Amino acid sequence: GAGVSQSPSNKVTEKGKDVELRCDPISGHTALYWYRQSLGQGLEFLIYFQGNSAPDKSGLPSDRFSAERTGGSVSTLTIQRTQQEDSAVYLCASRQALSTDTQYFGPGTRLTVL
Amino acid sequence: AQSVTQPDIHITVSEGASLELRCNYSYGATPYLFWYVQSPGQGLQLLLKYFSGDTLVQGIKGFEAEFKRSQSSFNLRKPSVHWSDAAEYFCAVGSTTSGTYKYIFGTGTRLKVLA
Repeated sequence: GAGVSQSPSNKVTEKGKDVELRCDPISGHTALYWYRQSLGQGLEFLIYFQGNSAPDKSGLPSDRFSAERTGGSVSTLTIQRTQQEDSAVYLCASRQALSTDTQYFGPGTRLTVL
Repeated sequence: AQSVTQPDIHITVSEGASLELRCNYSYGATPYLFWYVQSPGQGLQLLLKYFSGDTLVQGIKGFEAEFKRSQSSFNLRKPSVHWSDAAEYFCAVGSTTSGTYKYIFGTGTRLKVLA
């Protein structure tokens, strides 16, 4: 079966532009996470979706960042008015319902803001 | 607050040598612990996980880790390293905060393997 997929794999944009990053989780996985990985840093939690519950947005660094998950499947992370400090790899992960289930990661989207 | 510390940013070992990557955590209850590996340009792959029971956990690719509650550690080991093990390794703690199950990651250890 297919794993977690993300698109695009690379995105170069100019400062001030908006970008959308897409995540297709594994079918049937109810939990979905977005992380940001900056050079030399660990993974920074951004947002968490679990089923039909309200998402946990506590990790979003500013109001320029938002995410949605449509139909409990595909998720889109949107960054408005991008800044150079937004340059990073954005990773998506999904998991079945239980916290003891394995979290599977996508390959990431490398965002470069010029 | 929960935290994960990986004290070694870089480690270099010779192929065939043994390996130990250190991980220390701070967590108030019994933690769920994980080790992930990230090869260049790839996402993270789970090597092994600990939830309860036997404190020595076996994973994929010949890796194992030992949970030591008294030391708040979950070190990753491999008896004989292969060149293909060169990658970045992340330790993580899973915890529930305000009803959300989150993973807290260390900053990673980059492993270099010498031929």
